[in-house]
Amino acid sequence: QITLKESGPTLVKPTQTLTLTCTFSGFSLSTSGVGVGWIRQPPGKALEWLALIYWNDDKRYSPSLKSRLTITKDTSKNQVVLTMTNMDPVDTATYYCAHLRISAEAFDIWGQGTMVTVSS
Amino acid sequence: EIVLTQSPGTLSLSPGERATLSCRASQSVSSSYLAWYQQKPGQAPRLLIYGASSRATGIPDRFSGSGSGTDFTLTISRLEPEDFAVYYCQQYGSSPPALTFGGGTKVEIK
Repeated sequence: QITLKESGPTLVKPTQTLTLTCTFSGFSLSTSGVGVGWIRQPPGKALEWLALIYWNDDKRYSPSLKSRLTITKDTSKNQVVLTMTNMDPVDTATYYCAHLRISAEAFDIWGQGTMVTVSS
Repeated sequence: EIVLTQSPGTLSLSPGERATLSCRASQSVSSSYLAWYQQKPGQAPRLLIYGASSRATGIPDRFSGSGSGTDFTLTISRLEPEDFAVYYCQQYGSSPPALTFGGGTKVEIK
């Protein structure tokens, strides 16, 4: 059974860097054909994809946020880490990590999400 | 970057009725990489359809997906009370390699 869980700060100040960790079980990111992504959702708004990382360490970023994002993996810990620099109040959102169904490039299992508020 | 436009924004229907949701892409999308999700308040999204028409594990057969190119449709044949939610389409494109979501369609009880 695949599960994912996001963790990180609930409150960050403007201009700070956000670091979120996705801890997962039921699969390994060292296995061919596996991927994990990050998606966010501001309150009352639509989903927005942020980043993807594949088993071979290939990485993809949202073009509009690429300069602010870094995604990494630690296969020994079964974790994927997302950092986002220069946080702004408009980045207030629920942040989800999710398991990627590689053949379809769709997210078939999602974490519960973690709410991050950006405020001074 | 491909933009997905979903319509209508809100669909007001009664249980037992048929729901037809549209997702239009700004340029052609590979059918292999078009997905639909359902999201209920306070919950994470759930994958319903991938590859434009394949149901994900455990998804009832009242949900079906169709379409190709720039026009895709999610159909719920007979709405059950638990189907009232927000639905998102999503695509993956390779040039540039990026993934995008539509703005969502809310299916509400009439």
